[in-house]
Amino acid sequence: KAGVTQTPRYLIKTRGQQVTLSCSPISGHRSVSWYQQTPGQGLQFLFEYFSETQRNKGNFPGRFSGRQFSNSRSEMNVSTLELGDSALYLCASSLELAGGHDTQYFGPGTRLTVL
Amino acid sequence: GESVGLHLPTLSVQEGDNSIINCAYSNSASDYFIWYKQESGKGPQFIIDIRSNMDKRQGQRVTVLLNKTVKHLSLQIAATQPGDSAVYFCAENWAGGTSYGKLTFGQGTILTVHP
Repeated sequence: KAGVTQTPRYLIKTRGQQVTLSCSPISGHRSVSWYQQTPGQGLQFLFEYFSETQRNKGNFPGRFSGRQFSNSRSEMNVSTLELGDSALYLCASSLELAGGHDTQYFGPGTRLTVL
Repeated sequence: GESVGLHLPTLSVQEGDNSIINCAYSNSASDYFIWYKQESGKGPQFIIDIRSNMDKRQGQRVTVLLNKTVKHLSLQIAATQPGDSAVYFCAENWAGGTSYGKLTFGQGTILTVHP
């Protein structure tokens, strides 16, 4: 099976712009989680989607949003970019996390640089 | 608690030695623990997981030990190889609605293996 894919791999934006990142989960996986990774804060959970519904959200401002499509592909959007949004954005997919525990498999990430 | 990345702990070993990477977790309700390996420029790669009803689990060249009394997790790598050089993260999760898709990561440990 193909792994989790993320596009684009690298992105450079300027402050105030918005950006959309895409994630295609492993075939058959229905849960998609997003994480932000920075040197200062480490890996932090953004949100999780399952069956096109956001089931969980981390402590990030409303500028960070996401959605999931019927084929389980997911996108996340960051509006009004700030310098501090520069980070590696990681997507992870799993079969289903409905009270049970399924392994999350990560994509290679999208490196976002905000100038 | 949330992962806070500051100065990552480092572990330097010689090829062929056994490595032990430690992790203290914060949530006494956590019942699922995972170790990931992250190489430069890549997303985290699943190594091994363990549920709270176990205190030890073995994989290929790796063993995870869980001590719930002191909320401590360790990853042992046997016969460490240069290809094991990477950043290693522990992550935790717990059953329940607030946990959907949310892994809480430790700060990570940099493992360097010298030939």
